[in-house]
Amino acid sequence: NAGVTQTPKFQVLKTGQSMTLQCAQDMNHNSMYWYRQDPGMGLRLIYYSASEGTTDKGEVPNGYNVSRLNKREFSLRLESAAPSQTSVYFCASRRTGGSDEQFFGPGTRLTVL
Amino acid sequence: GQQLNQSPQSMFIQEGEDVSMNCTSSSIFNTWLWYKQEPGEGPVLLIALYKAGELTSNGRLTAQFGITRKDSFLNISASIPSDVGIYFCALSPGGSQGNLIFGKGTKLSVKP
Repeated sequence: NAGVTQTPKFQVLKTGQSMTLQCAQDMNHNSMYWYRQDPGMGLRLIYYSASEGTTDKGEVPNGYNVSRLNKREFSLRLESAAPSQTSVYFCASRRTGGSDEQFFGPGTRLTVL
Repeated sequence: GQQLNQSPQSMFIQEGEDVSMNCTSSSIFNTWLWYKQEPGEGPVLLIALYKAGELTSNGRLTAQFGITRKDSFLNISASIPSDVGIYFCALSPGGSQGNLIFGKGTKLSVKP
């Protein structure tokens, strides 16, 4: 039982490049989330998916797109990366109807030059 | 949006000292959560609080849900080097989507 896994762990992009951050969970959770973490800012919600087939914007969605591929996988795409997107990205999942606890992956550290 | 204030922003303490941090919100909420993030890792839940006035312990950690439902504190007793990390409070606005709002974190450093 790996919990929440994320790939890649590190990535460096040039401005304007695109990439997809991958996230998968093996806990059969319905809800999945993408956050970004910047120094002194805590974690801010980018997008979430309450169930397979649905996605919704969070607090800071601009410049991102998401895909809930199936119940296990929730990807985050940067179509044209900008230096302001340099951050650490965390994926999380939660069991609908259970406690409010979210389980987090280890994060992807992204640098945009 | 919701205002969630966490303090202090950082703490530098000696091993063996007790630690206290707190969070306050601008609105009333039904759930407070406390997470710990170790360097290079994702946050991990320490304690969840669901009732006003609730006091919950987890080893050397104790957290309380304020009576007004607008605040919570986390205490760590007899700190040790492995307590190092960033501690976040989070609250749940409710609703089926299960979103959490996070505080900006308290970075704890422990000197052996």
